[in-house]
Amino acid sequence: GQSLEQPSEVTAVEGAIVQINCTYQTSGFYGLSWYQQHDGGAPTFLSYNALDGLEETGRFSSFLSRSDSYGYLLLQELQMKDSASYFCAVRDEYAGGYNKLIFGAGTRLAVHP
Amino acid sequence: NAGVTQTPKFRILKIGQSMTLQCTQDMNHNYMYWYRQDPGMGLKLIYYSVGAGITDKGEVPNGYNVSRSTTEDFPLRLELAAPSQTSVYFCASSYSTEANSYEQYFGPGTRLTVT
Repeated sequence: GQSLEQPSEVTAVEGAIVQINCTYQTSGFYGLSWYQQHDGGAPTFLSYNALDGLEETGRFSSFLSRSDSYGYLLLQELQMKDSASYFCAVRDEYAGGYNKLIFGAGTRLAVHP
Repeated sequence: NAGVTQTPKFRILKIGQSMTLQCTQDMNHNYMYWYRQDPGMGLKLIYYSVGAGITDKGEVPNGYNVSRSTTEDFPLRLELAAPSQTSVYFCASSYSTEANSYEQYFGPGTRLTVT
């Protein structure tokens, strides 16, 4: 079957670094995305990895290892506003522009002072 | 640009009632999607559309229908509402080329309760 696994909760303090892992098992693979969702809000796109390696966008970085079916999101210099749920999503299928995304259940990050 | 807008924000339905969730995007995206998100879970794809007049089923289409008469609008219809359809519904859209279609833009969601 198709599945994505990520930790359900992570806790960290302001200014720290936290890593949220994601392992996947899907029938197809065209890339791994990360989305952020604040309570009561909509998911917003953070990053995308199609190839192995590290992608950096400001305080956030995302890593992918296709051979290990594994990726992670790294958040640095944590701020209170980073408290949210983070979802990994595999781009399982790509056909003529249509993207089938399989979402993980999400990791709830709580940042404390 | 307003991005992706959804109405209503909240709705309570009685079992057996029907309703239409509205979704509009002003980014001229060809691709649009409907997801549902149950508490503490990720998003599940209900239906998607690759352009006006073209729709197809996602992972969990039972109990829903869609139409796409224009590029901008992608309404989701619930027929004979059931308690299992209590969820938050998100509409999303994306560009249509492989280079930039991986990013999906989400609307604010509709919180639906069926009692």
